[in-house]
Amino acid sequence: GQQVMQIPQYQHVQEGEDFTTYCNSSTTLSNIQWYKQRPGGHPVFLIQLVKSGEVKKQKRLTFQFGEAKKNSSLHITATQTTDVGTYFCAGLGFYYDMRFGAGTRLTVKP
Amino acid sequence: NAGVTQTPKFQVLKTGQSMTLQCAQDMNHEYMSWYRQDPGMGLRLIHYSVGAGITDQGEVPNGYNVSRSTTEDFPLRLLSAAPSQTSVYFCASSTRTHSETQYFGPGTRLLVL
Repeated sequence: GQQVMQIPQYQHVQEGEDFTTYCNSSTTLSNIQWYKQRPGGHPVFLIQLVKSGEVKKQKRLTFQFGEAKKNSSLHITATQTTDVGTYFCAGLGFYYDMRFGAGTRLTVKP
Repeated sequence: NAGVTQTPKFQVLKTGQSMTLQCAQDMNHEYMSWYRQDPGMGLRLIHYSVGAGITDQGEVPNGYNVSRSTTEDFPLRLLSAAPSQTSVYFCASSTRTHSETQYFGPGTRLLVL
């Protein structure tokens, strides 16, 4: 079945440094979604990518979907303490199966 | 709108007990789902529903039952709780399918002794 791997598992950065998390699927995806979960909170939708090679930006966040639609990345420029949390990717296959990655926990040192 | 609500927030069960986790949404969403979240494993889909009267199994359905008698409510039943079901449970909803924005509830933290 479809597997979604996400790396790294943890990332600790100094405030102002950049951060990137990567998501890789064992199968071609229909689309991919990204979520953020603050400590003790629930996942909150960030964005959805659908097209091959798509790039979307939200302020300091840049999301990419690979040409083969099997990988994706989330890049945060100049991290802030408000970026702390766990970032999840969720890959949707072509048969209504959705798989979440294990998440990347980001901590930011002021 | 309250969005997606879940009750209880926290529950302790003994092995073999049964209980129902409640989930409700007031956004008139057709699609609802239940996930469990375990450390280091992300979220795994338990059951989902594409509309009232229609449910289907997700990735980890064993030990859980669901029903969808109304658009608003999607309860999750644990038939005979086991320690392996200790987890945080999230309910989510979206307009039509899970290929759209999913809105998550605040979660229920379950401990099975």
